[in-house]
Amino acid sequence: KAGVTQTPRYLIKTRGQQVTLSCSPISGHRSVSWYQQTPGQGLQFLFEYFSETQRNKGNFPGRFSGRQFSNSRSEMNVSTLELGDSALYLCASSLSQSYNEQFFGPGTRLTVL
Amino acid sequence: DAKTTQPTSMDCAEGRAANLPCNHSTISGNEYVYWYRQIHSQGPQYIIHGLKNNETNEMASLIITEDRKSSTLILPHATLRDTAVYYCIVPPSGGYQKVTFGIGTKLQVIP
Repeated sequence: KAGVTQTPRYLIKTRGQQVTLSCSPISGHRSVSWYQQTPGQGLQFLFEYFSETQRNKGNFPGRFSGRQFSNSRSEMNVSTLELGDSALYLCASSLSQSYNEQFFGPGTRLTVL
Repeated sequence: DAKTTQPTSMDCAEGRAANLPCNHSTISGNEYVYWYRQIHSQGPQYIIHGLKNNETNEMASLIITEDRKSSTLILPHATLRDTAVYYCIVPPSGGYQKVTFGIGTKLQVIP
């Protein structure tokens, strides 16, 4: 069974631009969560999607948004990029909306110049 | 959700047992303790989880105190490949989860 995949793996953007990251969960998994990881803050929860609906959201500004499609694939979007948005963005999938073992993808490394 | 406290870093000699502590004094009766680890530049990997009984799998053992306010992850024979950041988390029970991983413990296995 294929693992969680994230595209692209690396991305370089400039301030003010917007970016879209993609995540394909493990087949059969319906819950997708997104995390931001920076050296100083560790792993910070962004949001969780289940059945195309956002179920929970972390403490991030409205510039961070996401969505989930009917096939459980998910995208997250960051608008008006700031230097501080440079981070590793991780996606994790699990079987259901109740907390289960989460399977993480390799992440997308975003650099904002 | 229950906040966890872990040491920032630990060292362990190769071949010896690595014991990683975690405090979760505000844990509720139906909340589980989960452990993950993150090897450099990779996504976190699930290790083990438990509610109140001790648990063991092929990767590690999890010892939870009787009052459930703390736990210890045990890697019985640490290898260099176990060098990683280890996260202890207690997701809120029921509903949808706002999971907080925090900073974790950086375990350095020394040859």
